[in-house]
Parts: sequence; structure tokens; C-alpha cells
Amino acid sequence: AQSVTQPDIHITVSEGASLELRCNYSYGATPYLFWYVQSPGQGLQLLLKYFSGDTLVQGIKGFEAEFKRSQSSFNLRKPSVHWSDAAEYFCAVDAPEYGNKLVFGAGTILRVKS
Amino acid sequence: DAGVIQSPRHEVTEMGQEVTLRCKPISGHNSLFWYRQTMMRGLELLIYFNNNVPIDDSGMPEDRFSAKMPNASFSTLKIQPSEPRDSAVYFCASDSGRAGSNTGELFFGEGSRLTVL
Repeated sequence: AQSVTQPDIHITVSEGASLELRCNYSYGATPYLFWYVQSPGQGLQLLLKYFSGDTLVQGIKGFEAEFKRSQSSFNLRKPSVHWSDAAEYFCAVDAPEYGNKLVFGAGTILRVKS
Repeated sequence: DAGVIQSPRHEVTEMGQEVTLRCKPISGHNSLFWYRQTMMRGLELLIYFNNNVPIDDSGMPEDRFSAKMPNASFSTLKIQPSEPRDSAVYFCASDSGRAGSNTGELFFGEGSRLTVL
């Protein structure tokens, strides 16, 4: 069955340090891939998406993600984390052959220490 | 644009009571989604509509849950009777994609936090 795995429940990084959040998916073909961010008490906001083409995609707030077909991964990165990046991050997958539904990973909570 | 609007933001009720959550999607968006978020189960898709028609309700937990979309600008999620295990944050989201071709870029409301005592 299709699935989205975010292996890290919590990650803590120092302000100014680089960040990588992991996401792996299990689908028969290359799906559409997304990263969303949720600040406390808020709904989710789209950071970036990959449909096709260049496997390195740029998003808002200085985030980027790289699609690696061979590893079935879509990891989110940021070169220098700011305290305001503390939030929960969700990887999501949409495979049209499964009905155009977004399936979300369990989320990774990012803590930023000063 | 005002974004996706949900009401109420918070609801506390007693077991057995009826709960109605409301959602106004972004004008012009053709698809509407209801999600439930809990610590234990994460984000779960309950149901989604396209052009006001329910497309997939396989995530609706049981018959106590029902959802309607009488027009393009309004949807409700009803729980009757409510139970403590229904306590969660319920999100509504909309997508600008056309029928059968959602963009995947969901715009979420701020959620309705439901507590059933």
C-alpha cells in the first residue's frame, strides 16, 4: 500500500545551522510531492511542490527540496535556520492513480535553539 | 482574499451531543477537503468534494459522521452523536484544481478544535 514516511518525529537545530528533514514514499510510480508547514494553532501552508522536471525545487521561506527517484525520497533542506522556522513539517504525496488525494506523513517537529 | 474560513474555532461539548463544523472555501476553488488531526493518528482525510459532489468519503470513520456541500461556498461536517474519541482538530482545505485534476496545493483553514467530554 502507498505510504509516506517521515522517520524523525522531532529535530532540534541551533539557529543559523543547516537543516534537512527526511521524507520517503512508497508508490508504484513517481507521484507528486509536497512539503507543508504548520505553525502552532494554525492550518498547514504549502512550502514547495514537485511535479516533474528539475529535481531540486525551491520554495518559500528559503526552503528547498530534492527529489531522488532511486531513493524514493524528497528531503527538505534549508541552509540556515531561523528561530521563526520552529514548526511542524509535513511531507505529502499525491498519486493521481489513487484518486487525487493528498496523503500526509506523520510530521516532524522542528525546534530551534538560540 | 479571506482564505478558508472555519467555524467554530473551538467547541466543547458533552458526549452524545450533535456537533456541526462549518467551512467556507476560497472563492473559485473547486475542491474541498475535510481532514482530522490527532496526536495518535496524524492528519487523516475524511472526505473530499469536487464541484460540490462528494468524490471520496472512505475516510469517514463511521455513520455518526456526515458531510454536505450544498453550494460552492459552504460545507458542513456533522457528528451525531459525538463521542470523546472524536476530540481532534478538524481542518477544512480547498484546492483550485479542476474536476479530476487537483493541483495538490491545498489552502487550509485555521481548524476547529473539538473537545468531547
